[in-house]
Amino acid sequence: DAMVIQNPRYQVTQFGKPVTLSCSQTLNHNVMYWYQQKSSQAPKLLFHYYDKDFNNEADTPDNFQSRRPNTSFCFLDIRSPGLGDAAMYLCATSRDKTVQETQYFGPGTRLLVL
Amino acid sequence: EDQVTQSPEALRLQEGESSSLNCSYTVSGLRGLFWYRQDPGKGPEFLFTLYSAGEEKEKERLKATLTKKESFLHITAPKPEDSATYLCAGHSSYKLIFGSGTRLLVRP
Repeated sequence: DAMVIQNPRYQVTQFGKPVTLSCSQTLNHNVMYWYQQKSSQAPKLLFHYYDKDFNNEADTPDNFQSRRPNTSFCFLDIRSPGLGDAAMYLCATSRDKTVQETQYFGPGTRLLVL
Repeated sequence: EDQVTQSPEALRLQEGESSSLNCSYTVSGLRGLFWYRQDPGKGPEFLFTLYSAGEEKEKERLKATLTKKESFLHITAPKPEDSATYLCAGHSSYKLIFGSGTRLLVRP
């Protein structure tokens, strides 16, 4: 089945130790998004790619970066994780950025920072 | 500032007890209003998109409605498997602005 896949599902890292989260999709969608969701809070958009065009939200910390080497894969890099970065990280895809195109989410990666 | 507010934060229902969840929004240039279901430890699952005031959409026991300021998710005769967090989100320009959700628990 076509889907959005995130690996790993759970990630434990140490304070300040760089970590990379992975997202892949078999939907052949043009747009890939990364959201951060803290416990009992709303998902918050960090950035998105439209094809190879990268778009950063104004309030996304510099500590967070992303790479999209090809259509199928997108990575979230956290350069120096702090305790406040512990959260669920959600990857989503859509065919286009228009409202008619639904965003489909992966299962998420839960990040724990020790 | 764009904002989406959901109420109540949590709702407990007996099986078969119908109720409604509220989503109020102030999103500039709103293009559509989305409802998602999120189970614990999982990603949001798409339910509905509403594009204009007066629009309604149904899926099994769920019906979503939209006015110019808010949206409702009506749950008719819920079952325990309807227990989840329900998220609404406004679409503005290119992105979804989410509310923090309503955690629904349906007891047998």
